Amino acid sequence: SQTIHQWPATLVQPVGSPLSLECTVEGTSNPNLYWYRQAAGRGLQLLFYSVGIGQISSEVPQNLSASRPQDRQFILSSKKLLLSDSGFYLCAWHGTRYLWVFGPGTRLTVL
Amino acid sequence: GESVGLHLPTLSVQEGDNSIINCAYSNSASDYFIWYKQESGKGPQFIIDIRSNMDKRQGQRVTVLLNKTVKHLSLQIAATQPGDSAVYFCAENSMDSSYKLIFGSGTRLLVRP
Repeated sequence: SQTIHQWPATLVQPVGSPLSLECTVEGTSNPNLYWYRQAAGRGLQLLFYSVGIGQISSEVPQNLSASRPQDRQFILSSKKLLLSDSGFYLCAWHGTRYLWVFGPGTRLTVL
Repeated sequence: GESVGLHLPTLSVQEGDNSIINCAYSNSASDYFIWYKQESGKGPQFIIDIRSNMDKRQGQRVTVLLNKTVKHLSLQIAATQPGDSAVYFCAENSMDSSYKLIFGSGTRLLVRP
């Protein structure tokens, strides 16, 4: 079965510092991978998706970027964090049309 | 465009009662819908899904109703239990954008003992 790992689980970073969140997937190959963000008390907003190595599509303009260096690895980055980057970041895997799996999430607090 | 969530509305129900959580979806071309449950600090957990060729689907204690005419989806939870307390999200997906799962604004369900 497919498993998604995210780390770190929690992160507290100062404003202006860099960010790197990692997502890895097990049990599948050539997955579609996604980054969602959830601000406190709000719904999930799609940030990036990737259909293959080196292929990144951005859904909203922002302070973040994504990369896919390996088939089962998806990374979310920032050069300089803003307060508004705080939130719960979820990685998701999309297999067949009707199969979506979410990771455990990373809670990011920017101070 | 994206259905970005607003501040969450809350539904408070008595333990043992039935709960009905509603969702209005945005894309008339959406043909696949999922309900997720999210507990604090965790990722969304799949509850039940429905395809657009159906208007009702039942699971264990849960039923999803789909009204394509008014683009409305509902989740019914029978005999609500304290463990059902969580935030519930609907999500929509369409064949023309099958790579995208768009989430609606969630609803917080509080179960009173």
